[in-house]
Formats: sequence, structure tokens, C-alpha cells
Amino acid sequence: DGGITQSPKYLFRKEGQNVTLSCEQNLNHDAMYWYRQDPGQGLRLIYYSQIVNDFQKGDIAEGYSVSREKKESFPLTVTSAQKNPTAFYLCASSRDTGNTIYFGEGSWLTVV
Amino acid sequence: AQSVTQPDIHITVSEGASLELRCNYSYGATPYLFWYVQSPGQGLQLLLKYFSGDTLVQGIKGFEAEFKRSQSSFNLRKPSVHWSDAAEYFCAVGGENAGNNRKLIWGLGTSLAVNP
Repeated sequence: DGGITQSPKYLFRKEGQNVTLSCEQNLNHDAMYWYRQDPGQGLRLIYYSQIVNDFQKGDIAEGYSVSREKKESFPLTVTSAQKNPTAFYLCASSRDTGNTIYFGEGSWLTVV
Repeated sequence: AQSVTQPDIHITVSEGASLELRCNYSYGATPYLFWYVQSPGQGLQLLLKYFSGDTLVQGIKGFEAEFKRSQSSFNLRKPSVHWSDAAEYFCAVGGENAGNNRKLIWGLGTSLAVNP
């Protein structure tokens, strides 16, 4: 089945460590996105990529980094510079940036 | 300023009752409108979308929504709620000028509980 796969589903890390969340899609979509979701705050865009080897900052990019070396993959690294990393992270993709976006199942990150 | 308001943070309905979830937006251009549903701990699933044309849009799982430009609203409705509809519902708005999902503006969500 086509879809967006995020891994791991749950991740625990110590403060000060970088962590990388994986996102893979087999929908042949050009555009990919990372959102952060906190209780009562809706979705906030971290980074997005319109095409391979290109990505742009979203609204809350500080403390995060991404890469887009392959069309199928858009990993997100939460760095030690991110002050409040504990959250639910959602990866999404769309055929292009003007089309409907589809979401993965999300990854819970807890930093202790 | 561009914004999306979902006035109801939490709604409880009885199974079999009708449902209406409100969404109001403020957007300077012609809006694209979306409703998504999220089960606890899961990703978001698209219920329906409005880009143009008929202002009454049919979606999955028996949901529909009506775009009312004069009221800047895009309310989600279902005639008879099932227990499995209990979830968080998000309204989002984007624009044809942006044509770009980085410009999507999200509401804060409405949590729906269904009583048996």
C-alpha cells in the first residue's frame, strides 16, 4: 500500500542529545513537510521541501534540521538547540505544494 | 490577519445524533478549505476539501461541509454520529495565490466525544 511511514513511533532521549526522526513515502510525491503538534496549539510547520535537494524553513525551524537527498525520504533532526523538543511530530507529503497534503502516523518524542 | 477559528474546543454528542463542527476563517484571498480528523496518537486523515465549485462538499465517513463565503465559514456536518467518530477535528485554510501548503493555516481543533 502507498503511504507515509514515520519511525520510530516512540522515542525517548536525554536532554542535550540530537535525535533523528525518519519519514519515508512511496506516493511519488514531490513535496514533503514536517509539523510539530503540541496540546491545544494545533499544527506548526517546521520545515518543508518542494523537491529533492531543496528545503525551506517553516514557522518554527530553530533547533531543527532536515535533509532531502532522495525523493522518498525527509528525515528530521531535533538538535540540542531545540529548547522544548518534547512533542508529537508529523510528517506529510503532497504531489506538489499546491495539492492536498497527506500525513504519516506521527512520532512521539520525549526528552528527559 | 489570516486565521482559522474553531470556536468549540470540546463537543459531546450522543450516538445517532446529528453533528455540526464550526470553522470560521479570515483570509484575504480565495480560500482553499480542508477538514482533517485525528484519532488519539495518530496522524491526520483528510475528510474533505473545498477548492471551488459546489459549495456543499461531500467527504469520507458520511461527512459533509458547506462553504459560506458571506459568513467566512466552512462548517462540518454529519447527520448521524457513530461512536467511532470520536476524535479531534481540524479545519485548515490555504489560498490559491499561495498555491502552497506552507501557507496552510490550522485551527486549534475540536475534540469530539460520543456517548453511547
